[in-house]
Amino acid sequence: DSGVTQTPKHLITATGQRVTLRCSPRSGDLSVYWYQQSLDQGLQFLIQYYNGEERAKGNILERFSAQQFPDLHSELNLSSLELGDSALYFCASSAAPQYEQYFGPGTRLTVT
Amino acid sequence: AQKVTQAQTEISVVEKEDVTLDCVYETRDTTYYLFWYKQPPSGELVFLIRRNSFDEQNEISGRYSWNFQKSTSSFNFTITASQVVDSAVYFCALIPNSGGYQKVTFGTGTKLQVIP
Repeated sequence: DSGVTQTPKHLITATGQRVTLRCSPRSGDLSVYWYQQSLDQGLQFLIQYYNGEERAKGNILERFSAQQFPDLHSELNLSSLELGDSALYFCASSAAPQYEQYFGPGTRLTVT
Repeated sequence: AQKVTQAQTEISVVEKEDVTLDCVYETRDTTYYLFWYKQPPSGELVFLIRRNSFDEQNEISGRYSWNFQKSTSSFNFTITASQVVDSAVYFCALIPNSGGYQKVTFGTGTKLQVIP
């Protein structure tokens, strides 16, 4: 158990809908990262937050947004969902940006 | 720009064989951090090792060892006497230490299958 929690574990929704994925980092970790993993794209870095502030952006679509709240939990919002958004979404946390990341179990999103 | 290349997409070995997973990186930063992660069939990614660019000492942890060579921009991972439980996808990753910009880059992963 990494100490990082993600909810929900599974999510099935229709195209055009909007969903919110939630992540709670390990106790004491200030950095939160979001990743998308699909079969043909590998592990894609989406966005990173450190103590509530956005630190780095990867290949995150404009339809996607995220934030980190004062209690350090983070949410990833995915809107206008398309079939291609079906993937496993991981959250990870670390003590600071250059430190090792601890990954949550992931949220499997299926868009039908 | 930075890049991490794991040229080996899939490797199959017979149990007890040694296997080396290659990782080659590119970065313009003089200070950076390298990582290896393991993703077993259960799906959750597990941290294995972190190495900073100033520390070129090789590291051994049980059956795992890592060879960091700055001259060839490589950070290779060797599993000695492989076991079925080593079957997983292994990812190499790089984080630069350039001011406030610290975007992480993962390689595409190497899928290791250990055959009993």
